[in-house]
Amino acid sequence: DSGVTQTPKHLITATGQRVTLRCSPRSGDLSVYWYQQSLDQGLQFLIQYYNGEERAKGNILERFSAQQFPDLHSELNLSSLELGDSALYFCASSGLAGGYTFGSGTRLTVV
Amino acid sequence: AQSVTQLGSHVSVSEGALVLLRCNYSSSVPPYLFWYVQYPNQGLQLLLKYTTGATLVKGINGFEAEFKKSETSFHLTKPSAHMSDAAEYFCAVRNSGGSNYKLTFGKGTLLTVNP
Repeated sequence: DSGVTQTPKHLITATGQRVTLRCSPRSGDLSVYWYQQSLDQGLQFLIQYYNGEERAKGNILERFSAQQFPDLHSELNLSSLELGDSALYFCASSGLAGGYTFGSGTRLTVV
Repeated sequence: AQSVTQLGSHVSVSEGALVLLRCNYSSSVPPYLFWYVQYPNQGLQLLLKYTTGATLVKGINGFEAEFKKSETSFHLTKPSAHMSDAAEYFCAVRNSGGSNYKLTFGKGTLLTVNP
């Protein structure tokens, strides 16, 4: 157990739908990052939150949004889903000096 | 902007042979460098990292990597491959300073170990 918890592990949904992915960071970590992993794009950085505030934005679509709550857990909202959104979505958390600790991911399948 | 290039999307070695996975980076500021491993259907696990100090870094499972600033490289090695090393390996870079700790990943190298 890495200490970063992601739910659900698997999600199957239809095109046009909206889903919410949840992440609880490792105890003491203030930063949360979301990544998308697909076969063609590899690991793509989506967004970073630090202590509740958005800190950096990557290749995140306008249909996607995220937030970090006062208890530091984070949610990634994906709407108007398309087949191409099918991917593994990882959350990671970090402290000040080290690398990330990754969760085990949410596998999203859009049908 | 930072970038990472991993040479070879697929590397195949025999059990007991040397493992060498190549990583070159581009960064305008002193970097922090990382290697992660991903086993099938799992998340990424940190193998080792270079932040400051000694340029030869030892990690878990017998892996090590050497930071060579002049070559902008951070290649991953293991003297003797084991079947359990079969996985995908990712090199990553981030800024050493500032408040943006975003990691930029390479496209990964799939390591196959043959008996």
